[in-house]
Formats: sequence, C-alpha cells, structure tokens
Amino acid sequence: QITLKESGPTLVKPTQTLTLTCTFSGFSLSTSGMGVGWIRQPPGKALEWLALIYWDDDKRYRPSLKSRLTITKDTSKNQVVLTMINMDPVDTATYYCAHIRRTGGYEQIDYWGQGTLVTVSS
Amino acid sequence: SYELTQPPSVSVSPGQTARITCSGDALPKKYAYWYQQKSGQAPVLVIYEDSKRPSGIPERFSGSSSGTMATLTISGAQVEDEADYYCYSTDSSGNHRVFGGGTKLSVL
Repeated sequence: QITLKESGPTLVKPTQTLTLTCTFSGFSLSTSGMGVGWIRQPPGKALEWLALIYWDDDKRYRPSLKSRLTITKDTSKNQVVLTMINMDPVDTATYYCAHIRRTGGYEQIDYWGQGTLVTVSS
Repeated sequence: SYELTQPPSVSVSPGQTARITCSGDALPKKYAYWYQQKSGQAPVLVIYEDSKRPSGIPERFSGSSSGTMATLTISGAQVEDEADYYCYSTDSSGNHRVFGGGTKLSVL
C-alpha cells in the first residue's frame, strides 16, 4: 500500500524560502521506474504541476518556476524535499506530493498525499 | 506553453451519462489521465493511458481519445460522482506536464 504525507510550514513570509518534505511508504525510490512529484493547487483553482524526481535522480521542473525550485531525495529515509525560494502571496496553495510510475516512456501520477496548505503572508 | 482545455462545468441528472472533454494538440501522441477530486480531498486517479481503469474504480467510469480530444465518460452518474475532474498529459516533447483547468460535475 503506497502512502505519502507532506510536512512543512503552514505560513511563510514573502521573500522567504519554503521547504516541504514528502515522507512516503510502500515503495522505494531506488526501484527502477519510481518517482515522486509535487503538484500545487491555489484555493479554488486548478492543479499545477511543479516538479518530479526519479529513482535515477533525473529531475524535471515546471519551466516557469525552474529558477525557484529544487527537488532532492533521501532514499534511505524515504523522503523527497521540495524547496521554493522567494515566496510570494500568489504561491499560497495546497501542496501535494504524489507517487509517479514511469513505464514504457510514459509517466503516471497514481497516488497522492493528503496535501498541506501553505499561506504566504506578512 | 502547452494547454489542455476542459469545459468549466457539466451537469447531469442521476442515472444519465456525463461526458467531460479535454482538448490538447499533443493528445494524438500522448496519453491522457483523469483525476477525480471531491471537495476538500486529494485527487484520485480514475482513468490512465486514455482508457484504462485502476482497480477499485467503478465500471461506470470509462475513457477514450480521438484526435486532439480525450473524453471521460461516466455512465449512469451517481450523486457521489459530484466532483472536480482534471485531465493530465504532456506536450509532444514530453517536457511540459500540464493539468487541464478542471471540470465541475454536478449530478442533481
């Protein structure tokens, strides 16, 4: 059974750096084809894909946010960390981490964490 | 940047068939995935690779894709199917991963 859970601050100030941790179970990020991604959802708005990291340390970022995002993994701890610098009130959103499976050149987001609401305000 | 276009809302009566569309230029080459998100909850995968249904998803959920449009069909929609539905795919290069704008399904 695959589960994921996000943790991190609920409130950050503008210009600060956000660090979110995804702790997962039920799979290993050392297994071929496995990945973890981050998706966010501003209140009342649509889902927005942010970043992912694969078992082989392949990393992909949303092009418009690439300069602000960093994703890393700690395979021994079953954790993935997303860092976003220079936070702004428009970054207020629920941040989800999710399990990604890559097969045959296609990737599938198949399990999601419960999400964590991050508010950016002074 | 690449976009997937969905209708903002679809409304059906219980027992009717609901169809939610997702339009994107790369859909002839790339799979579509569909997610159901009920109020206050995380999304759930209901269709993958255009038309496959994960275990545990009711048979009334089905998917298809033709040309630049993918469609999620809910045959005999139930009140509990009320939710926001999002399609997901990539551009033809695979570098841009996007969700559609979401469709609010009302069953009443």
